[in-house]
Amino acid sequence: NAGVTQTPKFQVLKTGQSMTLQCAQDMNHEYMSWYRQDPGMGLRLIHYSVGAGITDQGEVPNGYNVSRSTTEDFPLRLLSAAPSQTSVYFCASSRQGANSPLHFGNGTRLTVT
Amino acid sequence: AQSVSQHNHHVILSEAASLELGCNYSYGGTVNLFWYVQYPGQHLQLLLKYFSGDPLVKGIKGFEAEFIKSKFSFNLRKPSVQWSDTAEYFCAVNGENAGNNRKLIWGLGTSLAVNP
Repeated sequence: NAGVTQTPKFQVLKTGQSMTLQCAQDMNHEYMSWYRQDPGMGLRLIHYSVGAGITDQGEVPNGYNVSRSTTEDFPLRLLSAAPSQTSVYFCASSRQGANSPLHFGNGTRLTVT
Repeated sequence: AQSVSQHNHHVILSEAASLELGCNYSYGGTVNLFWYVQYPGQHLQLLLKYFSGDPLVKGIKGFEAEFIKSKFSFNLRKPSVQWSDTAEYFCAVNGENAGNNRKLIWGLGTSLAVNP
């Protein structure tokens, strides 16, 4: 039972480079989301999706794009990496419903130099 | 504004000590409450949740939490901690009518270190 799979696990980028963080889930969850985790700032929502073809911005969307062409996949694109995007990124999914717990991927540690 | 406050940022305990981590929230409505745990180098995983019924809920690994509506609190407890409980603990709150997790509000986390 794979759950939520995130790749890569680690990534180093130079300022201005672009990249895509991959996220896939096999639980048929409608809701998917991307968070970044920074020391002292907890978890902040970047983008989320409530189903294929539907995405919306979270708390800190600037510099990131997402798409949801299938129920399973929810990639996060960094358009032009900046040092401020150095962080640990988590993909999470859940069923619809306010009492549905999130299932997290293992995270991607991104460093932008 | 809606918020979640975890009062203890860093807690250090010896094995077999009792644990209580505070979580208070500010939200004007019926809520769903969660505690997540993040072991070193790992992803977050659900420890326990409350959305209705008995306000004392039991989770994995001997953890429990009590929802006290009058105090807007959802404190996490464990009678006797183990070294393997060393982790970061996050409290999160969602409004009952939110529909999904897009408005889930997170506390900043409490780092627990258990000395063997």
